[in-house]
Amino acid sequence: NAGVTQTPKFQVLKTGQSMTLQCAQDMNHEYMSWYRQDPGMGLRLIHYSVGAGITDQGEVPNGYNVSRSTTEDFPLRLLSAAPSQTSVYFCASSTDGGSYNEQFFGPGTRLTVL
Amino acid sequence: AQSVTQLDSQVPVFEEAPVELRCNYSSSVSVYLFWYVQYPNQGLQLLLKYLSGSTLVKSINGFEAEFNKSQTSFHLRKPSVHISDTAEYFCAVRRNSGYALNFGKGTSLLVTP
Repeated sequence: NAGVTQTPKFQVLKTGQSMTLQCAQDMNHEYMSWYRQDPGMGLRLIHYSVGAGITDQGEVPNGYNVSRSTTEDFPLRLLSAAPSQTSVYFCASSTDGGSYNEQFFGPGTRLTVL
Repeated sequence: AQSVTQLDSQVPVFEEAPVELRCNYSSSVSVYLFWYVQYPNQGLQLLLKYLSGSTLVKSINGFEAEFNKSQTSFHLRKPSVHISDTAEYFCAVRRNSGYALNFGKGTSLLVTP
């Protein structure tokens, strides 16, 4: 299994540009999440999904859209990038086997918005 | 709402010395607590977790954490650290919905010879 994969690893955007960060998992996990990591802030939840077709907002959803058309994929879209969205983005997935199981994280996407 | 507070942003320690990284949580429901480790330029890896049962949980590389309900704490300890333990450590609590996590701000552990 590849686990959780994210593309691209690095990206530089100009203010106002749009892009999609890709996330895929091959573990048949129902639950997927997007976090952003900023220095001194830890990881903050952007959006999450409890299954295909179901998404919800986390702590910092503004400026981001998500969709979940398949179990495997959970892309994160920036419609109009802003410098405040410069961050490292992590995707995670998990399953629930009757008790809470760990979240598996992807390697991250480092995004810079100029 | 569930939240965690990591009381130390940086912890410098000498190799082979003991270390404690502090984490306090707030939650009004059943608590699931986690410690994750992030090595430089890498993603997060689960170090250990508390779901229920024994309040003392251990990792395979010598770390342990104790769930203390009365003090609402989940401190991480290691009796003797190695240079290779240098990393960022995050305490996290499960949210009420969606199985996502609320993370603390992280503690940077720096182990020097």
